[in-house]
Amino acid sequence: SQKIEQNSEALNIQEGKTATLTCNYTNYSPAYLQWYRQDPGRGPVFLLLIRENEKEKRKERLKVTFDTTLKQSLFHITASQPADSATYLCALDVYNQGGKLIFGQGTELSVKP
Amino acid sequence: NAGVTQTPKFQVLKTGQSMTLQCAQDMNHEYMSWYRQDPGMGLRLIHYSVGAGITDQGEVPNGYNVSRSTTEDFPLRLLSAAPSQTSVYFCASRSTGANQPQHFGDGTRLSIL
Repeated sequence: SQKIEQNSEALNIQEGKTATLTCNYTNYSPAYLQWYRQDPGRGPVFLLLIRENEKEKRKERLKVTFDTTLKQSLFHITASQPADSATYLCALDVYNQGGKLIFGQGTELSVKP
Repeated sequence: NAGVTQTPKFQVLKTGQSMTLQCAQDMNHEYMSWYRQDPGMGLRLIHYSVGAGITDQGEVPNGYNVSRSTTEDFPLRLLSAAPSQTSVYFCASRSTGANQPQHFGDGTRLSIL
């Protein structure tokens, strides 16, 4: 069956360290993968997108990798700050699925000062 | 910029009651979707639409109806509310262009007693 899995446990790190979040998928052939941030009581907000033919994408302190052989994406936040504390969601867009985005369950990140 | 607007923000229903969750977007997006979010389950797709007059089922469509008479609006109807439908509901929209991000509303928190 098709499945998307993210780190199931919350991730706690110290301010200034690099946070690494994982998104694994099975039985999908995604055209691209997206990462979103969700704060409590709010809807998800788009952060980054990476295409299937891209290995790595960067935006300021954020970096995303995409390995279609391993069926995995890694999301890195460098020089993390307490303001980065939130839940992070990965989402797959699958070919010929009419624009459907399928989401992982999210990973809660807590950055301590 | 309003973006995606959902109403109401909170609602309490009794089992068996019906109601409509409203969603409107002002970005002229063709694609619109409804998700529900439950603890540990991530965002699950209920129904989606690729344009006015066109809707399709997502992962968890049972107990919900949708229609899309205009580009702007995509209401979600609960026909006979059940406690299992207690959840946070998110509406989202995006452009039909390749690799477009999803824009979310801030959700409707629904409790069924």
